[in-house]
Amino acid sequence: DQQVKQNSPSLSVQEGRISILNCDYTNSMFDYFLWYKKYPAEGPTFLISISSIKDKNEDGRFTVFLNKSAKHLSLHIVPSQPGDSAVYFCAARASNTGTASKLTFGTGTRLQVTL
Amino acid sequence: ETGVTQSPTHLIKTRGQQVTLRCSSQSGHNTVSWYQQALGQGPQFIFQYYREEENGRGNFPPRFSGLQFPNYSSELNVNALELDDSALYLCASSPASSYSPLHFGNGTRLTVT
Repeated sequence: DQQVKQNSPSLSVQEGRISILNCDYTNSMFDYFLWYKKYPAEGPTFLISISSIKDKNEDGRFTVFLNKSAKHLSLHIVPSQPGDSAVYFCAARASNTGTASKLTFGTGTRLQVTL
Repeated sequence: ETGVTQSPTHLIKTRGQQVTLRCSSQSGHNTVSWYQQALGQGPQFIFQYYREEENGRGNFPPRFSGLQFPNYSSELNVNALELDDSALYLCASSPASSYSPLHFGNGTRLTVT
């Protein structure tokens, strides 16, 4: 039972345009959501997060949107740059479990930003 | 500020053997967790250590065990290795807060033959 789903395995976007990565979840107890970026041979790097009391969080070129009623979140990257080419993971946490480090990850979306 | 460091980077073991992976947490972080990432999948939570005790576990059998030391560094031990244990093993550290992101190391690539 996959509780966090990233249905697009890959995405190709031109440099300077917007990249939109999507994520759906099924567990209504999730209340904190994160996006990580992963380059080959490196560990995941934290990008941006959002708690369930918000519907939007911005950090520079990165914005995360949360739609709780649809159990959907998305990451927008504007403008996209070649260095953004990586695998992006959506992750979620339920804070009532008492296990602060337990994240449930999606399977990732490979973003390629072309020149 | 030193990030999360893991050793070794690569390891090859034979089915049935035992392996120990090591992790040094980021400065100021007292919670360590371990994840397994199989090829083409997202990381899966193995367990979390806080104050040198395991206090949360994912869907992994008891042959996966760990330790946390007073300096917050950690070990992951896997006994009776199986072919399906071949994966990238990631260590992550964080402050003990539900709303702090995890900071990951670069992982140990384990191959079981």
